[in-house]
Amino acid sequence: GESVGLHLPTLSVQEGDNSIINCAYSNSASDYFIWYKQESGKGPQFIIDIRSNMDKRQGQRVTVLLNKTVKHLSLQIAATQPGDSAVYFCAENPGNRDDKIIFGKGTRLHILP
Amino acid sequence: DAGVIQSPRHEVTEMGQEVTLRCKPISGHNSLFWYRQTMMRGLELLIYFNNNVPIDDSGMPEDRFSAKMPNASFSTLKIQPSEPRDSAVYFCASSGGPGANVLTFGAGSRLTVL
Repeated sequence: GESVGLHLPTLSVQEGDNSIINCAYSNSASDYFIWYKQESGKGPQFIIDIRSNMDKRQGQRVTVLLNKTVKHLSLQIAATQPGDSAVYFCAENPGNRDDKIIFGKGTRLHILP
Repeated sequence: DAGVIQSPRHEVTEMGQEVTLRCKPISGHNSLFWYRQTMMRGLELLIYFNNNVPIDDSGMPEDRFSAKMPNASFSTLKIQPSEPRDSAVYFCASSGGPGANVLTFGAGSRLTVL
């Protein structure tokens, strides 16, 4: 989920296939992680979250995996649909009773017909 | 619930003018966040409040920016004087408070400073 300058990483996936969006974080003290979806012209929308005492959490068609050893987070979307086209952000809470949520740069998911 | 409500949705102004962006959080939420989104810098946290008190304003770019939360149902972000580099989409988000970190975002205010 890292980006450089103006360019968001883009993942192109065939409709019906599974999507995997990756995110690296740097703060080993972060204890809560969230994935958000942002459609064009809208604010980010919560998808799924995970706390640092877990390594996997499943929702409806989505799964989040957390690997604290390498500070890596992934979002898996099963059977990708046209409505899944959006920019996906991973976000983290830095812990230490701090409530702020820090966002990564985002990954654009493009669905191929 | 109507969600987080922001106004205006779009604002075009000239350099040097004062800009005020407004936010009504979800009723019952006691944390409120202001973010700025640009292509170059992504989503940046500017400031957040718990129970109407500013907790962390380290993301506020400079003294031209100020934010207030006079009560639990209203917050403003003010830029005075505005500059072209302030052009961005400004988002307000609220959450249920300490330990309840899921943010609900408003639709954003798109600011263009000429």
